[in-house]
Amino acid sequence: AQSVSQHNHHVILSEAASLELGCNYSYGGTVNLFWYVQYPGQHLQLLLKYFSGDPLVKGIKGFEAEFIKSKFSFNLRKPSVQWSDTAEYFCAVKPSGTASKLTFGTGTRLQVTL
Amino acid sequence: KAGVTQTPRYLIKTRGQQVTLSCSPISGHRSVSWYQQTPGQGLQFLFEYFSETQRNKGNFPGRFSGRQFSNSRSEMNVSTLELGDSALYLCASSLPPSRGELFFGEGSRLTVL
Repeated sequence: AQSVSQHNHHVILSEAASLELGCNYSYGGTVNLFWYVQYPGQHLQLLLKYFSGDPLVKGIKGFEAEFIKSKFSFNLRKPSVQWSDTAEYFCAVKPSGTASKLTFGTGTRLQVTL
Repeated sequence: KAGVTQTPRYLIKTRGQQVTLSCSPISGHRSVSWYQQTPGQGLQFLFEYFSETQRNKGNFPGRFSGRQFSNSRSEMNVSTLELGDSALYLCASSLPPSRGELFFGEGSRLTVL
């Protein structure tokens, strides 16, 4: 079965700082990868996704993620964070082409200070 | 287009009671998944339904059960509640075949006293 590790549990950054959140997964086959975000008081929503092709994917609000197959990683990045990026971020993985479940990491709480 | 609707949003129960949570998916979505969200544990998969059939089940005890109706609406039930069942229960819907793009509701927050 697949698993996901998010090493940063709580990250505090000042506005305009660069962000990188780590995500590693464990699965031997081809996977679909996702970052979901949960803003305070809001429902969980999709931030970006990777299925195949260009390993650098861009999502909403200036976020991007890079899939490095050799490292089983899918790290989330943003060059300059804003206060409104304060949220909890979840990495998730699903084996491609199967009916398997979507497995989430434990999440990283990002706090952006003014 | 209406999103995923979960009811009730908040509820308080006592140990030993049972609870039923409801989820109405986005119109046209036929897959429904349920997750339990707790601090520190993140999102733990409960089950997934498609066309009234359970496709996947997570590692939860048999006290946790669910079903899906012909209109794709889904319910989950927890019997003999324990304190540790206190959590936010999230429902998500998707278009089959799901590649992992889920649309979540706001959740039902269950507190067990």
